[in-house]
Amino acid sequence: DIQMTQSPSTLSASVGDRVTITCRASQSISIWLAWYQQKPGKAPKLLIYKASSLKSGVPSRFSGSGSGTEFTLTISSLQPDDFATYYCQDYNSETFGQGTKVETK
Amino acid sequence: QVQLVQSGAEVEKPGAPVKVSCKASGYTFTGYYIHWVRQAPGQGLEWMGWINPNNGDTNYAQKFHAWVTMTRDTSISTVYMELSSLRSDDTAVYYCARDGFGLAASFMDVWGQGTTVTVSS
Repeated sequence: DIQMTQSPSTLSASVGDRVTITCRASQSISIWLAWYQQKPGKAPKLLIYKASSLKSGVPSRFSGSGSGTEFTLTISSLQPDDFATYYCQDYNSETFGQGTKVETK
Repeated sequence: QVQLVQSGAEVEKPGAPVKVSCKASGYTFTGYYIHWVRQAPGQGLEWMGWINPNNGDTNYAQKFHAWVTMTRDTSISTVYMELSSLRSDDTAVYYCARDGFGLAASFMDVWGQGTTVTVSS
């Protein structure tokens, strides 16, 4: 079974910071990776699919990169609305990472 | 607009079944798989399976295949997820989500609001 491992589990940052979250797959998943944002008590929202394709309507400060086994989600300048938990997903196996919580420093 | 609206919260006793509905609107119902994902309190996301609303085909995660059933009613653009014989660790929020590619399993581009299922004696 494919395992998806995110790091860090928790990230403390300030508004305006550049934030990077890493997702590693236990075997190659090509570019079949999505990123989601979830706020407390709310459903997840799709941010990025196919590793680097931004969903329509998602702010351009979000970007994704990577292929194979290593992927990153970058927020270029953290905004107040971005404090949330982020999940990666391999959509060949439908396996999610364990999540990365972005909290205020 | 594209929308998935789920049924309300449920409280069930251990051993009982539960059936959650997910009504789609704003798009061609039979053109997109629907996934089910659950999230236990304070935990991450766990994929349960998908259903093809066009023909009723299903694909369940190995963990759930013995006790989950996903069905659909095309006349009312609704899919259902039933869990039989609930245990306390089935307490979770259950989400339905539309597949982003359509009739192929991939990422999930639109999510329902979630249905809280509490299993308690």
